[in-house]
Amino acid sequence: KAGVTQTPRYLIKTRGQQVTLSCSPISGHRSVSWYQQTPGQGLQFLFEYFSETQRNKGNFPGRFSGRQFSNSRSEMNVSTLELGDSALYLCASSMDQETQYFGPGTRLLVL
Amino acid sequence: QQQVKQSPQSLIVQKGGISIINCAYENTAFDYFPWYQQFPGKGPALLIAIRPDVSEKKEGRFTISFNKSAKQFSLHIMDSQPGDSATYFCAAYLLGNMLTFGGGTRLMVKP
Repeated sequence: KAGVTQTPRYLIKTRGQQVTLSCSPISGHRSVSWYQQTPGQGLQFLFEYFSETQRNKGNFPGRFSGRQFSNSRSEMNVSTLELGDSALYLCASSMDQETQYFGPGTRLLVL
Repeated sequence: QQQVKQSPQSLIVQKGGISIINCAYENTAFDYFPWYQQFPGKGPALLIAIRPDVSEKKEGRFTISFNKSAKQFSLHIMDSQPGDSATYFCAAYLLGNMLTFGGGTRLMVKP
């Protein structure tokens, strides 16, 4: 089976812009989760989608949003980018929540 | 209650030595404890996992030791190799919620 894929792999934006990241889960996985990874804060959970519904949400501001499509592909959007949003954004897919399979991530740099 | 504390932050081990990474948790409702390995430029990959009704699990050179009464678990890498140099994350899962990750340990195995 193909693994989790994320696009784009690298992105440079400026403050105030918005960005959309995409994730394609492993075939058959209906749960998609998003994480933010930074050197200072480690791996922080953003949100989880299951069957097109947000099932869990982390402690991030409303500028961070996501959605899931009927084919389980997911997108996350960050509006009004801040310098502190520079991070590696990881997507993970799962069949049972507890076992997460991560993609390679999208590295976002906000200037 | 949801925190998982991981130590040390970094570790240097000689080739052939034993690498030990420790994690402690507070919420006794956690019921699944995975370890992830992350190489630079890659997403975390599931390495080994344990449930709290088991005190030890071994897979090749990797062993998890679990102490339920102390609310601690650890990863032991026997015969450490330079190829094991990576960042390791412990995590804990609570049914219906998402994985809570430790802060990570950067392991360097010197040849």
